[in-house]
Amino acid sequence: DQQVKQNSPSLSVQEGRISILNCDYTNSMFDYFLWYKKYPAEGPTFLISISSIKDKNEDGRFTVFLNKSAKHLSLHIVPSQPGDSAVYFCAASARGGSEKLVFGKGTKLTVNP
Amino acid sequence: DVKVTQSSRYLVKRTGEKVFLECVQDMDHENMFWYRQDPGLGLRLIYFSYDVKMKEKGDIPEGYSVSREKKERFSLILESASTNQTSMYLCASGRGSTNEKLFFGSGTQLSVL
Repeated sequence: DQQVKQNSPSLSVQEGRISILNCDYTNSMFDYFLWYKKYPAEGPTFLISISSIKDKNEDGRFTVFLNKSAKHLSLHIVPSQPGDSAVYFCAASARGGSEKLVFGKGTKLTVNP
Repeated sequence: DVKVTQSSRYLVKRTGEKVFLECVQDMDHENMFWYRQDPGLGLRLIYFSYDVKMKEKGDIPEGYSVSREKKERFSLILESASTNQTSMYLCASGRGSTNEKLFFGSGTQLSVL
């Protein structure tokens, strides 16, 4: 049973436009959410996170939105750049889960010049 | 910066061989994790450890074991490698508190022939 779902395996956008990556979760115990970025043949690197007490967190070109009632979060990248092309993983942890992260299957983002 | 080092970037082994994947972190982190990444399946947790000599099964522990004799080192062992264990293996570490991110190594791409 998949607790964290990224329903779009891939997304293609033009440079300069907005990229929106979506993630849904089913476990109501999740209270901390993270996005990781992964290039081929490298380990994932942390991008941005959000706690369930917030509904938005921003870091430069990256913004994460959390809709707790819908159990949905999204990552917005504005403006998108070719270097953003990577696989993006959504992850979640539960209260007291002490970093035991549950990951989605990932969305491959391609930003075309 | 936190450094998580995995001993090999690429490994080729034969079916039935015993395989050791080593991971070392340099930030005195309490928690260490082993994930595997497969196309279309995302990152799946194999084993994790909250302390020296402590280990807990993740979601897919079958066919694997782990060892944590020192705080900085966490080893993944494939007792008898099989072709369905061909995968990218990712080690991660974290401080052991809630709402914290994990730091990942660069990964080991293991091929079992």
